[in-house]
Order: sequence, then C-alpha cells, then structure tokens
Amino acid sequence: EVQLVESGGGLVQPGRSLRLSCAASGFTFDDYAMHWVRQAPGKGLEWVSGISWNSGSIGYADSVKGRFTISRDNAKNSLYLQMNSLRAEDTALYYCAKGTGLTVTRPFDYWGQGTLVTVSS
Amino acid sequence: EIVMTQSPATLSVSPGERATLSCRASQSVSSNLAWYQQKPGQAPRLLIYGASTRATGIPARFSGSGSGTEFTLTISSLQSEDFAVYYCQQYNNWPPNTFGQGTKLEIK
Repeated sequence: EVQLVESGGGLVQPGRSLRLSCAASGFTFDDYAMHWVRQAPGKGLEWVSGISWNSGSIGYADSVKGRFTISRDNAKNSLYLQMNSLRAEDTALYYCAKGTGLTVTRPFDYWGQGTLVTVSS
Repeated sequence: EIVMTQSPATLSVSPGERATLSCRASQSVSSNLAWYQQKPGQAPRLLIYGASTRATGIPARFSGSGSGTEFTLTISSLQSEDFAVYYCQQYNNWPPNTFGQGTKLEIK
C-alpha cells in the first residue's frame, strides 16, 4: 500500500524557516517524480515544487522561487521542502504527491494527508 | 505560464442526473490533462489522466474528453459520494503543473 506521510509543519513567524519532510513507503521511491502542492484555507490547489526521480529536473512556482528548496533522499525514501523567508501568504496545508512516472510532466496518483504551515507573528 | 480556467465555479445537480464540468487552457496542453476530486477534509484523488483515461479504481460513470485547450469531465449519473470539488491540472508545460481554480459540485 502506498503511503505518504508529511511532517514538519507548525506555527512560524514571518521571515523564519521551516523544513517539511515526506516519508514514502509501499512503492519504489526512486522510480517516481515527487511534488509538493499546497492549499490555503478555503482555497484551491497550488502546485509548489517538483523533482524528478534522480533530482535532475527541479522546478518551482514563481510564488516560492528563491525561497523554497526541494530535495529528495532516495536512500531514505524521503522528500523534503526547505522553506525560508516565510510569508503570511505561505500559510497552507502542504501535500506531498507522487508522480506517475520518472519525470515531472506526469499527473499525481497518490497524495499524503498534508502538514499545516501557519505563518503568523 | 499556462492558465487553467474551470467553469462553472459551482454546479448544482440532482442525484441521478448528469454533470458536465469544463476546463480551458490558455494554450494547448495536448492531452496532458488530469482531473482530481477532493472531498472536505481529504486529499485530492486522481480521477482522469491523459484527458480521458480513468485512474485505477475510478467508476465508469466518470469520463473525460477533449484535447488542446478544451476539456470536459462528465459524471453520467451522480451518486451522493460524487458531490465534491473537482480540479483540472495540466502537466504538459512544466514548471508549473498548473491547476484550475476548481468546480464545486453540490446537491440541488
């Protein structure tokens, strides 16, 4: 059974940093691209960042470019999102999502339950 | 960046009836279009990919069509569990993998 479990969310002050993690199980992690998608309270889905199976392709939404860094550790079956210079508008539920193939230009077939990030003073 | 526009924002339909949801891309995404369903308090679920291929375990009452810039999700006979928010997503031009703003399907 595929499982994606996010962690690392919480309340953080504007300008501070947070690192999210996603622990994956039930599939061969290094055979798939992975993504972070967020959802602000009461709003729609916003793709944040994605990474190919071997970290060769990495991309970011314009809203987080230069502040967030995605990475993965295939030996640990884990995905990460380092979030720096956090802003109030980064407040959201952050989902980890599995792509359906090696590359990032594929849909997402499994999602975690999300970890909540609240940016507030 | 490709902009995905869904219509209508809210659709009211009676159980047993057909629902038709639309998604338009600001430029061609070929058939690289997916549909997701999200219920309150739950993560999104992949319904359709490649514009018309049902994901594993998705009932046959869900169907997708279209290519290029115009896409449709049809639910042939609405069941109570189908009332949710639906999102389209393009994955042709990356980054980003753009989502539409969503269509809320509610009980009439």
